[in-house]
Amino acid sequence: KNQVEQSPQSLIILEGKNCTLQCNYTVSPFSNLRWYKQDTGRGPVSLTIMTFSENTKSNGRYTATLDADTKQSSLHITASQLSDSASYICVVSWKTDYKLSFGAGTTVTVRA
Amino acid sequence: NAGVTQTPKFQVLKTGQSMTLQCAQDMNHEYMSWYRQDPGMGLRLIHYSVGAGITDQGEVPNGYNVSRSTTEDFPLRLLSAAPSQTSVYFCASSHDTQYEQYFGPGTRLTVT
Repeated sequence: KNQVEQSPQSLIILEGKNCTLQCNYTVSPFSNLRWYKQDTGRGPVSLTIMTFSENTKSNGRYTATLDADTKQSSLHITASQLSDSASYICVVSWKTDYKLSFGAGTTVTVRA
Repeated sequence: NAGVTQTPKFQVLKTGQSMTLQCAQDMNHEYMSWYRQDPGMGLRLIHYSVGAGITDQGEVPNGYNVSRSTTEDFPLRLLSAAPSQTSVYFCASSHDTQYEQYFGPGTRLTVT
């Protein structure tokens, strides 16, 4: 069973609207949680990295939140743009070794 | 500063053929890793290296070999290609296990 579950699998939003992506994880012990953006045909690019003590972190119009108690994270995209169309991947880092658990991603399509 | 580079970008192999996927980074990162990405699944770790001369297996190592003779290069060898190895392969590097990973552009491999 995947230890990082993302929802929804995909979503379509209109340009200018906001959206929120969810990530639930069971990784323990946990070191940090990352959100990546992957454009079609490209490698993932880091958006945010949060340790267990951080509740929120922003990168421009992207804001990630983390609740380490409930093992949940969200990524909020504000005032979406066409360039936000991509797959967004939640990644959780284990504390004990060089191991990352990847979610399957949420595909976001922004329409004009 | 080119970051992480991968060659080739596309490759088609016949079952049983062997080949090497190249990966190089110019950021002096100690940690490098290879992932495969299949539709509907998260990235899965194939092999990783914590420094020159040191490699270890990841989640799905069967059918692949790696070596790390220099800090910069981390090639991935397919010993005898199988259709199940049809996938997109990403190389990544980072300063440390807990730091941001930088991904290459990927190699799309098809085995017929």
